[in-house]
Amino acid sequence: DGGITQSPKYLFRKEGQNVTLSCEQNLNHDAMYWYRQDPGQGLRLIYYSQIVNDFQKGDIAEGYSVSREKKESFPLTVTSAQKNPTAFYLCASSISDPTDTQYFGPGTRLTVL
Amino acid sequence: DQQVKQNSPSLSVQEGRISILNCDYTNSMFDYFLWYKKYPAEGPTFLISISSIKDKNEDGRFTVFLNKSAKHLSLHIVPSQPGDSAVYFCAASSLNYGGSQGNLIFGKGTKLSVKP
Repeated sequence: DGGITQSPKYLFRKEGQNVTLSCEQNLNHDAMYWYRQDPGQGLRLIYYSQIVNDFQKGDIAEGYSVSREKKESFPLTVTSAQKNPTAFYLCASSISDPTDTQYFGPGTRLTVL
Repeated sequence: DQQVKQNSPSLSVQEGRISILNCDYTNSMFDYFLWYKKYPAEGPTFLISISSIKDKNEDGRFTVFLNKSAKHLSLHIVPSQPGDSAVYFCAASSLNYGGSQGNLIFGKGTKLSVKP
């Protein structure tokens, strides 16, 4: 059963702590993405990766970091430098590049206390 | 400056009637448009797309219309059903450009409520 998984569904962290959000896909997609959604806002691109060991900053990359060591995995670290980390984080993947249809995971709601 | 605008944050429609969701864009380089549907606390799911070589694309109850001269697209849902109640995001990209220029730009979404 192919798809994208994100874990956990809900995550709570204390201010000043780094936290890593998981994203795994078994769709054999080359490209993966991280978006952030805030209330009343559209999805904003944080980082994307079109191939293993390579990734690019999106529109709001400051305070975030990613890695792409495996094709299936694209974890996102929310660092203490991110000023407003509380948000709904969505991971997506597509066959090869951003112009392909993107398929989204269920999302992780991060709350920083 | 928003490149993709959904000016109606919400829309309420009676079951069985038509729902029309609108989207405007400012970047003339956009040539590929998509609609995503999103339920609360879930990821968006792809609904329908249209490229700029067409002015209409239909899939079952869903039809997307594109007016390039007006930089406007709309999603029509006929007939609307209570299960259609969700947030609908319009997204745009440039097929002819790779890298960051090919990335999807999303609107802020329109919350559709279909009442029984």
